[in-house]
Amino acid sequence: DSGVTQTPKHLITATGQRVTLRCSPRSGDLSVYWYQQSLDQGLQFLIQYYNGEERAKGNILERFSAQQFPDLHSELNLSSLELGDSALYFCASSTGTGGLGYEQYFGPGTRLTVT
Amino acid sequence: AQTVTQSQPEMSVQEAETVTLSCTYDTSESNYYLFWYKQPPSRQMILVIRQEAYKQQNATENRFSVNFQKAAKSFSLKISDSQLGDTAMYFCAFMIYDMRFGAGTRLTVKP
Repeated sequence: DSGVTQTPKHLITATGQRVTLRCSPRSGDLSVYWYQQSLDQGLQFLIQYYNGEERAKGNILERFSAQQFPDLHSELNLSSLELGDSALYFCASSTGTGGLGYEQYFGPGTRLTVT
Repeated sequence: AQTVTQSQPEMSVQEAETVTLSCTYDTSESNYYLFWYKQPPSRQMILVIRQEAYKQQNATENRFSVNFQKAAKSFSLKISDSQLGDTAMYFCAFMIYDMRFGAGTRLTVKP
């Protein structure tokens, strides 16, 4: 158990809908990262937040957005869902953004199926 | 752009033997971090080992060790005394500001 929690574990929804994935980082970790793992794209970095502020952006679609709240939990919002958005979405956390505490610990993931 | 290449899509090894997984990366930066993550059938991503680029000494964690060749931009993972529980996808990852993953190597440990 990494200490990172994600809810829900599974999500099935229809095209065009909007969903919210939630992540709670390990106690003491200030950084939260979101990743998408799909069969054809592998593991893709989406976005990072550090202590409530967006720190880095990867291959995140405009239909997707994220935020980190004062209690450090994070939410990833996916809207206008398409079949291709079906994937495993991971959240990871780390103490910092580099140097000490840079290693990331992953949550169990949320499996999103868009039908 | 930083890229990570794992040239072995699949590998297998007999239980108790040693196996080496390859990883190469491309960057013009001198300070970065390298990782190996394991993803068993449960799909949980588990950190196996990490290496800071400024350290010349190769990292070791129990049965797992790396061969870090900075000039060659190579970062291989050696698993000694392979166990059935080592069966998993193994991802090499590179990080400066964000983490880039290789495509993974599926390792099967055979009894």
